[in-house]
Amino acid sequence: EPEVTQTPSHQVTQMGQEVILRCVPISNHLYFYWYRQILGQKVEFLVSFYNNEISEKSEIFDDQFSVERPDGSNFTLKIRSTKLEDSAMYFCASSPTGAREQYFGPGTRLTVT
Amino acid sequence: KNEVEQSPQNLTAQEGEFITINCSYSVGISALHWLQQHPGGGIVSLFMLSSGKKKHGRLIATINIQEKHSSLHITASHPRDSAVYICAVRSWQRGGSEKLVFGKGTKLTVNP
Repeated sequence: EPEVTQTPSHQVTQMGQEVILRCVPISNHLYFYWYRQILGQKVEFLVSFYNNEISEKSEIFDDQFSVERPDGSNFTLKIRSTKLEDSAMYFCASSPTGAREQYFGPGTRLTVT
Repeated sequence: KNEVEQSPQNLTAQEGEFITINCSYSVGISALHWLQQHPGGGIVSLFMLSSGKKKHGRLIATINIQEKHSSLHITASHPRDSAVYICAVRSWQRGGSEKLVFGKGTKLTVNP
């Protein structure tokens, strides 16, 4: 069964460094999402992406964040200058349409030291 | 006030018991999702519903749009059902787009 994959599974970085989290959505899906979950807290929406542009973003998704679909298969989340409070699990998800179930990747645990 | 409230926060049951997890929401929605988060962190979609009831194996999800309430039931619970169950609603935003808004989750432990 097709699945969403994410790399790396765990990323450790120093404050102020740039990180890129990578996701490969299911191949025929058109809608892509990033979520984050700070340890012990609820999952939070970051951004949705369709037709090569952002369709919705949350107040968390400020200028430090960007998303890209560089080559038609990967979907990346970049954090330009990481802060301690960016430490969280980041989940990518994809959906065939905006009205269907979302399929989640296994997550990338980001630790900012 | 949270837009999505789940109860209970924690639930411990004995194997074989019937489980009910509740979700109430305060925003306009186009659909409601029930998700399962495993101890390792992975998230699996269980149901997406916008009306009525859905059943998959021992899991049943219901939604009452008028009352803005949904329930997830597990029949004949088993220790492998132990996980965090998350309710998330697809909420309309200005401009016509939608986003998922999540509840805090219900941690279920089923003892043998």
